[in-house]
Amino acid sequence: QVQLQESGPGVVKPSETLSLTCTVSGGSISKNYWSWMRLPPGKGPEWIGYVYNSGNTQYNPSLKSRVTISIDTSKNQFSLKLSSVTAADTAVYYCARVVSLFYIDYWGQGTLVTVSS
Amino acid sequence: DIVVTQSPDSLAVSLGERATINCKSSQSVLYSSNNKNYLAWFQLKPGQPPKLLIYWASTRESGVPDRFSGSGSGTDFTLTISSLQAEDVAVYYCQQYYNTPWTFGQGTKVEVK
Repeated sequence: QVQLQESGPGVVKPSETLSLTCTVSGGSISKNYWSWMRLPPGKGPEWIGYVYNSGNTQYNPSLKSRVTISIDTSKNQFSLKLSSVTAADTAVYYCARVVSLFYIDYWGQGTLVTVSS
Repeated sequence: DIVVTQSPDSLAVSLGERATINCKSSQSVLYSSNNKNYLAWFQLKPGQPPKLLIYWASTRESGVPDRFSGSGSGTDFTLTISSLQAEDVAVYYCQQYYNTPWTFGQGTKVEVK
């Protein structure tokens, strides 16, 4: 069974860059699309973007100017960078697998990132 | 963007009773070429990753109990828990994957009455 695990700092200072990595086990990252979502406190989930093994990406237009998602097939990992963060970026961040650019079938456990000085 | 709206925001149901959650999209998520509705339902419990329950609006994910069912087409959808169990206490989200940006409902919290 595919498992995903997010890792990265739990606190990021305002104006700095949030960096998270998702490690995939139990399956090859060279297949499927891989995505990041976040769940802000008291709100519904927000899709951030996805990446394919070719490095092809698509981002949520609301975040596009600040987001970079990349993939490292040799490590079975993909990563998220979100620049110029503010308190509004405080959320639980999830990585996930997407079936053929359709539905999301596996999610990581999630990691809380707090933007605070 | 497709706006997805759930109702109600919270729901208290007695054990063994039916729970019904509604999800409405601001535009149709039915793709005419394959007659599929691009809508999924997830369950989120504290400390656990979200769990896929239903995709294509009505296809139950493998391993999901058959008390969970999805229905609807176009813009109006429903998740039904036919007989609520204690382990079903969670927040439920619907999500459309018809268009990017993929969008989610705000969530429905299901509790035991």
